[in-house]
Amino acid sequence: NAGVTQTPKFRVLKTGQSMTLLCAQDMNHEYMYWYRQDPGMGLRLIHYSVGEGTTAKGEVPDGYNVSRLKKQNFLLGLESAAPSQTSVYFCASSYSGETQYFGPGTRLLVL
Amino acid sequence: AQSVAQPEDQVNVAEGNPLTVKCTYSVSGNPYLFWYVQYPNRGLQFLLKYITGDNLVKGSYGFEAEFNKSQTSFHLKKPSALVSDSALYFCAVPLGGTYNTDKLIFGTGTRLQVFP
Repeated sequence: NAGVTQTPKFRVLKTGQSMTLLCAQDMNHEYMYWYRQDPGMGLRLIHYSVGEGTTAKGEVPDGYNVSRLKKQNFLLGLESAAPSQTSVYFCASSYSGETQYFGPGTRLLVL
Repeated sequence: AQSVAQPEDQVNVAEGNPLTVKCTYSVSGNPYLFWYVQYPNRGLQFLLKYITGDNLVKGSYGFEAEFNKSQTSFHLKKPSALVSDSALYFCAVPLGGTYNTDKLIFGTGTRLQVFP
């Protein structure tokens, strides 16, 4: 089992560019999450999904969109990147929402 | 509102000494409490959780946590620290309350540094 994988590992964007981060899990989990991690602020939930075809907003959803067309994949989109979106992004999945399994992270730098 | 606080940004301990990483919580209803660890350049890993029962919860890698209802604390402990325990530790509670565990809210993290 690969667990939770994230693509890409690192990306540099210019302000205004768009991109999509891909998260994939092979554990047949219903719940999937996108977080961002910033120094001194811990992890903050961006969006999450409780099943295929569903998405919901977390603590900091502005500037991001998500889609869960397939159970195993959860995509995070930035339509017009801003320097404030420079962060490390983590995807996680869970069977019941309690114990979450995290991917290795994507480092995003917006210039 | 559900919340957790980790009062220490960093904890330093010598290898072989006991370690404690502190967490206090504020929740409505019975608390569910979690500890996660993040090793350098990795995602978070689940360590342990408290739902009900014994106040001392045992988890992975020799860690344990003590639930104290009167002090609203859930401190992470290990009797003898290893250099390899050096990592970032996060306390967490369900965002939606006891019976809504589909989202977690994490503390700001405590960096544990174990010196040889």
